[in-house]
Parts: sequence; C-alpha cells; structure tokens
Amino acid sequence: AQRVTQPEKLLSVFKGAPVELKCNYSYSGSPELFWYVQYSRQRLQLLLRHISRESIKGFTADLNKGETSFHLKKPFAQEEDSAMYYCALKNYNQGGKLIFGQGTELSVKP
Amino acid sequence: DGGITQSPKYLFRKEGQNVTLSCEQNLNHDAMYWYRQDPGQGLRLIYYSQIVNDFQKGDIAEGYSVSREKKESFPLTVTSAQKNPTAFYLCASSERGYNEQFFGPGTRLTVL
Repeated sequence: AQRVTQPEKLLSVFKGAPVELKCNYSYSGSPELFWYVQYSRQRLQLLLRHISRESIKGFTADLNKGETSFHLKKPFAQEEDSAMYYCALKNYNQGGKLIFGQGTELSVKP
Repeated sequence: DGGITQSPKYLFRKEGQNVTLSCEQNLNHDAMYWYRQDPGQGLRLIYYSQIVNDFQKGDIAEGYSVSREKKESFPLTVTSAQKNPTAFYLCASSERGYNEQFFGPGTRLTVL
C-alpha cells in the first residue's frame, strides 16, 4: 500500500541549529515526492519536489530509494522556518492525488 | 492572493444539516481536489475531478458529495451522513492531474 510516514509530530530546535525532518514512504512504482509547508495563517504551499533537485529557503531533500526516505534538511534553522511541514507522495493511480504524511511541526526558538 | 478561493472561512452547522463549501479557481486548471485535514492525520483525499462533469471518489468519500458543472468551480457538500464532519477542508487544483497542486486557504467546519 502507498503510504507516507513522518515519525515526528513536533521538532523543536534553536536558531542556527541544523534541522532534519524525516519522511519515509512506501510505493510500488517510481515515486515522485514533495515537501509542502504551511506557515501560521497561510495556505499550504509547495516547498520543493525531488525531481527539481533544488534548494528553497536553504532547505534540501534527497530521495533515497534504498532507504525509501525523503528527509528535509537545513543546515542553520531560522525562526521564520517555524511551520507545519508535510511530506507528500504523488499517486498516479488516482488522478495524481497526493498522499500526505501526518505532518511535523517545526518550532525554531531564538 | 488570487488563484483559488474558498468560502466561507468558518462554518458552523447543526447536526443533521447538509452544508456546502465553495471552491473557485481562476487558474484555468483542469483538475480539482478536496482534502480533509485533521490534527495528527495529515490530509486525506475526499473527491477529485480531472475534467468538467466528471469526478471520482477519494479515500474518504462517504458522507460527502461534489459536482463539477463548471471548470472553475468544485463545491463540496457535507451531508448529515458524515459521522464526524468537524475538520479543516482544503481545496486544490492543478493544470493537469499530474502537475503541481495549488491549495486554497481552507474552510473550518464545526458541527455544533
């Protein structure tokens, strides 16, 4: 079954510390993975996707097919990174729907 | 913030009543989606539509209904058959079903 797992509900770090938000997936085909972010009082928005291999706001994520993981990393966290982060997997069997993980709340303390 | 609009922002309903949530987009997108967001459960797909006059059930369609009479509109009706309707509802759209999805601001429904 297709599934996305984010094991941490809450991750709290101090400003300037490295951050890693974990995401593991289960998918029978070739996966297409995304990270979405939801800042307080703002709508859910795409942060990055694995096929772009880009860095957005200092965040990167590498797809590791061997470990079926797509962890989100940032070397130095900023207070404005505090938000809810969702890992998502695209399911081509249902009109391209997204399968979301449970979400991880990142709190960056000053 | 244009693109996708949802109304109302907050909605209160009495038990036993049907209620309709609005979702409109001016992005000329073919595909539209409804997700439900509950704390600790992420987002789950309710219904999706890849083209006008066609829609498909998602993972949790029971107690919900939709219509897609116009390309820009995809209203969701929460019926009295939905056992636990209190949640945050998100609408999304994409150019085709397999492209990036853009999300609306959401509607918070509370059943009193």
